[in-house]
Amino acid sequence: GQQLNQSPQSMFIQEGEDVSMNCTSSSIFNTWLWYKQDPGEGPVLLIALYKAGELTSNGRLTAQFGITRKDSFLNISASIPSDVGIYFCAGSTSGTYKYIFGTGTRLKVLA
Amino acid sequence: NAGVTQTPKFQVLKTGQSMTLQCAQDMNHNSMYWYRQDPGMGLRLIYYSASEGTTDKGEVPNGYNVSRLNKREFSLRLESAAPSQTSVYFCASSEKSRRVEAFFGQGTRLTVV
Repeated sequence: GQQLNQSPQSMFIQEGEDVSMNCTSSSIFNTWLWYKQDPGEGPVLLIALYKAGELTSNGRLTAQFGITRKDSFLNISASIPSDVGIYFCAGSTSGTYKYIFGTGTRLKVLA
Repeated sequence: NAGVTQTPKFQVLKTGQSMTLQCAQDMNHNSMYWYRQDPGMGLRLIYYSASEGTTDKGEVPNGYNVSRLNKREFSLRLESAAPSQTSVYFCASSEKSRRVEAFFGQGTRLTVV
């Protein structure tokens, strides 16, 4: 089945560094969502994007809906240890409730 | 608020056994979903229910059946479990509107031996 290409697959960073990750698709999406998943837990919604070019922030997190509508980016500024986890992007086309998920970016923060 | 509640949290089945995974949400959401998560694969949609009384196949429906019992509850049934169904199963729900962010339960870790 179709999946989104999410990169990088994993990353180690130092506490205080900024983090960038992205998600690309061969399909056009009308909605992009970013989730974080902690070990043993379900994904938790971080940011939702609804318009091409939209830039939305949630604390130290900023996400953008790509102009082509085939990609999205998530940035985390000044990372802290609790940012550790797996970050998933998800996309949806208009009129459907079916989300396609990326394979995740595993983030590890070194104190 | 409880949000989305799944039971059980863990289950071990023998090949060929059947079981039902339960899911309930208290957010008055219209839409509910079942996903499975396998290592390195992200989440894949098994079935979804856009509203009470309707269900539709997702990306990987084979080997599963669902029941939308009422607006709150959406169950997933494995009639004859297979080792390939070893996975973590997540239920989610969303409001039926333009903003269809899905909220997830904590998952059911299923092992089929």
